[in-house]
Parts: sequence; structure tokens; C-alpha cells
Amino acid sequence: DAGITQSPRYKITETGRQVTLMCHQTWSHSYMFWYRQDLGHGLRLIYYSAAADITDKGEVPDGYVVSRSKTENFPLTLESATRSQTSVYFCASGSSGGWEQYFGPGTRLTVT
Amino acid sequence: KQEVTQIPAALSVPEGENLVLNCSFTDSAIYNLQWFRQDPGKGLTSLLLIQSSQREQTSGRLNASLDKSSGRSTLYIAASQPGDSATYLCAVGGTDKLIFGTGTRLQVFP
Repeated sequence: DAGITQSPRYKITETGRQVTLMCHQTWSHSYMFWYRQDLGHGLRLIYYSAAADITDKGEVPDGYVVSRSKTENFPLTLESATRSQTSVYFCASGSSGGWEQYFGPGTRLTVT
Repeated sequence: KQEVTQIPAALSVPEGENLVLNCSFTDSAIYNLQWFRQDPGKGLTSLLLIQSSQREQTSGRLNASLDKSSGRSTLYIAASQPGDSATYLCAVGGTDKLIFGTGTRLQVFP
């Protein structure tokens, strides 16, 4: 199916564990983004990528790692999860960075 | 640093009312402004995109305006319906990313 998908949709993990959230898009968009959404903060950009093998930090990158070896995939890794990383994570893609973005359904992550 | 603010944070109106949601931003050097809708537990859906050279965009019962000089945008919803209940977010587009406001949670009751 065409579009943007995220997996898993729900994840519970323990403090200190490594967690990887997956994002896949079928439009061949050059730009991809990771956001987190928390009450009172709205959506905050974690990392973004303008093309394969090009990534850049957003507003809240600490504790996260990204890679983009293929245009269609943009995984987000929490190297050592902390409770403050409990959030809903959204992946998005677009043909350019500051223009129309298409969002995935989100991953709800709980760190205990 | 660009900051985007949305007022009010929440709004509850009876069905049929016309309503206005507000968005303000601190840096007028923007490429575009976008309005999104988010239903509970779901992702974001783009509603309207206004390029920096435009003043407004319309889609059905929705009309969005942009005043770059004053750093403001409004989303006008005509004849509101219960199905319009959602959170509405505005986002300002720069060269390579969007900066989001915190949203307005709208409830339209029958």
C-alpha cells in the first residue's frame, strides 16, 4: 500500500533498553522527519533527513540516533531509553523540507 | 528562533457556529504556513497550505488567511459540525522544516 507506515504502533520498554522505531514511505519523498508529541509541547522535531545518508538535528535530538541508508526508510533509535522519552512519535515525509508533509499514524512509546 | 503560538488552547461551540482559530509566529521570514487536523490517537492530516506570497486559501468550509507582516494566520470554519471536532495545528514552514504550534482542541456539540 502506498503511504507512510510506522512500526510498532505501541511499545512498552524498560529504562536503559535500546528501542528502534521504524518508518517506511512509498512515495520516494526526499525528506523524512521524526517528531515527538507531548502534552503542553505540541510536536517537536527530533531529527530530519533531506536525502539518503543526510541527517540533521532538530529541536530535541539528545538521546536519539537516526540513520537513512535507503530513501524509503528512516529508523529512530533510543540508545538507552529514559522515562522522559515516553511520548507519541510521529514520522513524516515530504518532497521538500518546509513544504507539505505527510504523517504516519504514530507510535506510542512508554518507558517504565 | 521561530516560535508559534495558538490561541485558544481549547474551544467548545454548538453545531452551526462559525469560528476562528488563531495562530501567531515570531519570525515573518517564512516559506509557507500550514494548517493540520489531528483526530484523537491519529496522525496529522494537512488541511490547507498558504505560500508566503499568498493571502489566503480555501477548501470547502475552511478558509485560512496569512498576514506575514503581523505574524498571524487564522483558520475560519464555517457552519461547524460535530465531525469537525479535533485538534487543529498550525505550522510555519522554513527552508527545510516545519515549526508547529501547540494546537487548538475544538469540540463541536450537537
